[in-house]
Order: sequence, then C-alpha cells, then structure tokens
Amino acid sequence: DGGITQSPKYLFRKEGQNVTLSCEQNLNHDAMYWYRQDPGQGLRLIYYSQIVNDFQKGDIAEGYSVSREKKESFPLTVTSAQKNPTAFYLCASSISEPYNEQFFGPGTRLTVL
Amino acid sequence: GQNIDQPTEMTATEGAIVQINCTYQTSGFNGLFWYQQHAGEAPTFLSYNVLDGLEEKGRFSSFLSRSKGYSYLLLKELQMKDSASYLCVRTGFQKLVFGTGTRLLVSP
Repeated sequence: DGGITQSPKYLFRKEGQNVTLSCEQNLNHDAMYWYRQDPGQGLRLIYYSQIVNDFQKGDIAEGYSVSREKKESFPLTVTSAQKNPTAFYLCASSISEPYNEQFFGPGTRLTVL
Repeated sequence: GQNIDQPTEMTATEGAIVQINCTYQTSGFNGLFWYQQHAGEAPTFLSYNVLDGLEEKGRFSSFLSRSKGYSYLLLKELQMKDSASYLCVRTGFQKLVFGTGTRLLVSP
C-alpha cells in the first residue's frame, strides 16, 4: 500500500533536548512538507522540500531543522531553540508543489515535559 | 488562519444538510481546497476548486466564487462519522494557507 508514515505517534522529551520526527513516503512524490498544528490555529508550514538535497523555510522555521537526503524521507528535528515545541506535527507530500493535493501522514504529538 | 475566515463550530443532526462557509483574501488567489480532519488524525482531501461554480462529489459539494472571495462546503445526508473539523485552504503566491477549521458536531 502506498502512503506516508510518521513515527512515533506520541513523543515526550525533556526541555533542552533535541528530538527528530520521522516522515517516510512511498508515493514517489517529489515534494514534502512539515506542518505544526496548535489548538485554535490553522496548520502552519515549518519547512518544505521540492527535490532531494534542497529545502526551504516555511513560515515558522525558527528552532527547527530538516534534511532531504532521499526522496522518500524528510525528517524534522525540533531543537532546544524552539521555545514552544509542544504541538501536533504533520508531514505531507505531493506530486509537485505547490498546488497539488497534499497527502498527510498520521501525525506525531510532541509533548515537552 | 491567515486571511481565511470560517466558523469555529457548527452543530447539525443526522440526516440533515449543513453548509460550512469560508471567506478569504482574493489577491493572488489560485484555488481552494477543503480537507476533513478527525480529531488527532491526518487531514484528508475532499475537494479542490479553481473555477467558479459548484462541484459535486457524492454527499459532499464545494462551491467557489472567486470575485467574492467565498467558498462553501455542503454536506448532505449527514452521518455521525461526519463529525470532524473541516479545513478551508487557500492557494496562491506559491503557498497554501490553512484556515483554523470548522468543528462540526453531528448528533443523533
């Protein structure tokens, strides 16, 4: 089955620690995206990548980093510089950006203790 | 969400029809998505309107008026499983902007 996966579903970290969220897709999509969702707010774009070894900052990139070494994978690292990291993180992919239908992964809920 | 307005919450009964409205800024507009999102889950695609008019897809229909900066999602024959958030997403200027979502509660 083709799809997009994220792991883990729930993640807890202590303040001051970096943590990496996984995102994998086998849809052969060129573009991948990371969003953050907070209660009462729309999804906000953190980073996106249109092609391997290239990525661009979204609206709220501060405190986050990404890599795109393979077409299938787009991991997101939440660094200790991110001041309010507790949120629901969604990864998505599409055939090409920007206006094609985006397919979303199941999400990772990160809680900082 | 930035430049997108949709109601925060709506309620309806099973079997009824509900219309969820969305208004947005028209500058640089390209098209409008509607996504459905159940609590704690990923959004799933419902529709994408680029041209004016109504597009019907089973129990769901989506309407767009580009000149008015207005769209609506129409859900017919409501079922309990339709209880979810419905996200209005504007495309333009090479980016997507998500509304905050309308939480729909369907009661028996």
